[in-house]
Amino acid sequence: RKEVEQDPGPFNVPEGATVAFNCTYSNSASQSFFWYRQDCRKEPKLLMSVYSSGNEDGRFTAQLNRASQYISLLIRDSKLSDSATYLCVVRRGKLIFGQGTELSVKP
Amino acid sequence: NAGVTQTPKFRILKIGQSMTLQCAQDMNHNYMYWYRQDPGMGLKLIYYSVGAGITDKGEVPNGYNVSRSTTEDFPLRLELAAPSQTSVYFCASSLADNEQFFGPGTRLTVL
Repeated sequence: RKEVEQDPGPFNVPEGATVAFNCTYSNSASQSFFWYRQDCRKEPKLLMSVYSSGNEDGRFTAQLNRASQYISLLIRDSKLSDSATYLCVVRRGKLIFGQGTELSVKP
Repeated sequence: NAGVTQTPKFRILKIGQSMTLQCAQDMNHNYMYWYRQDPGMGLKLIYYSVGAGITDKGEVPNGYNVSRSTTEDFPLRLELAAPSQTSVYFCASSLADNEQFFGPGTRLTVL
């Protein structure tokens, strides 16, 4: 079993839609949690950290449930520019990356 | 600041050849990392360094070597290239265990 698992997608949604990505991690010793964004054939970039209390950054909301070992990312009012692969990342000493969920936002 | 730079951008190697992937950062970060990303897969840590003169193995170090003689540079050496090393290689750096900043990647094909 992979240590960090995500829906592989792809998610194809129209502009303006709300889309949610799920991620589970298997090691309860994981210390901190992140969502990274990776555009096609480019390097990953930090989108947001994920806190137990939940956190929001504009149209993006991240949630963490330590008891269920579950992380989510909600994107509201999707834009064409949101099309990318979203990587769920946990820190257990070093960063451990999920395989990513591909999002395609269509006009 | 240029951030994290990597050279070359692309390379094709024959089986058994060797090469060095270059990585440099100008942010005075003490931590540096090498990852590989295979199609449809997450990034896997090859080697990392917490400072000049200090390196350690990650999850998939076999077939690779690194050195860290300066804070700025962290080259990755492939000896005896194999088709299984066909991948995209990303270098990253961070200030201690904070946000990692990635370079643009090197796309390597071994034929």
